[in-house]
Amino acid sequence: DAGVIQSPRHEVTEMGQEVTLRCKPISGHDYLFWYRQTMMRGLELLIYFNNNVPIDDSGMPEDRFSAKMPNASFSTLKIQPSEPRDSAVYFCASSLGRHTEAFFGQGTRLTVV
Amino acid sequence: AQSVSQHNHHVILSEAASLELGCNYSYGGTVNLFWYVQYPGQHLQLLLKYFSGDPLVKGIKGFEAEFIKSKFSFNLRKPSVQWSDTAEYFCAVEGTGRRALTFGSGTRLQVQP
Repeated sequence: DAGVIQSPRHEVTEMGQEVTLRCKPISGHDYLFWYRQTMMRGLELLIYFNNNVPIDDSGMPEDRFSAKMPNASFSTLKIQPSEPRDSAVYFCASSLGRHTEAFFGQGTRLTVV
Repeated sequence: AQSVSQHNHHVILSEAASLELGCNYSYGGTVNLFWYVQYPGQHLQLLLKYFSGDPLVKGIKGFEAEFIKSKFSFNLRKPSVQWSDTAEYFCAVEGTGRRALTFGSGTRLQVQP
């Protein structure tokens, strides 16, 4: 398996624009997580899904952020409108069942100017 | 709410020195514990994990960690570090009630040749 695949790897956008980050989890995994990494706040959980259903979105910063998982092999994280403070590395991770580790993608480095 | 504290933010060692990175967590119930490593510019990779059983767990690349329940600690150790161990190390906890990781702030390890 190719692992968790995220796209794009890098994204530079202007403030106010819509940004969509994409994730393909490992085939067969039933949990998918979105994390954000910044210097100030470290690694934070934004949202996670189980069997395509959002379970906990308490980490989503505000209404500008939304995440979807239309099927077991694809998830998106959308920011609309984007702001400079959204600049961070966004990681997607997936895992299988309970008592297993999460496998992380390479991340998307987002810069909002 | 669960939280993780990593007391060492930046550690500098010479090759062959011994390593111990501290990790303490706060959670009232049963936990799963992890150490992840992030090499420069790369994604997070699992070093080792503890779910139950022997509190001394061995991971990849010669790393080990000991779970001390009474101290709420899960310290990472390596008897002899190498230059290639230069990376950032994250302790993480997963409470049984929430299927997602809470990360510590990370420890940046720099190994000098």
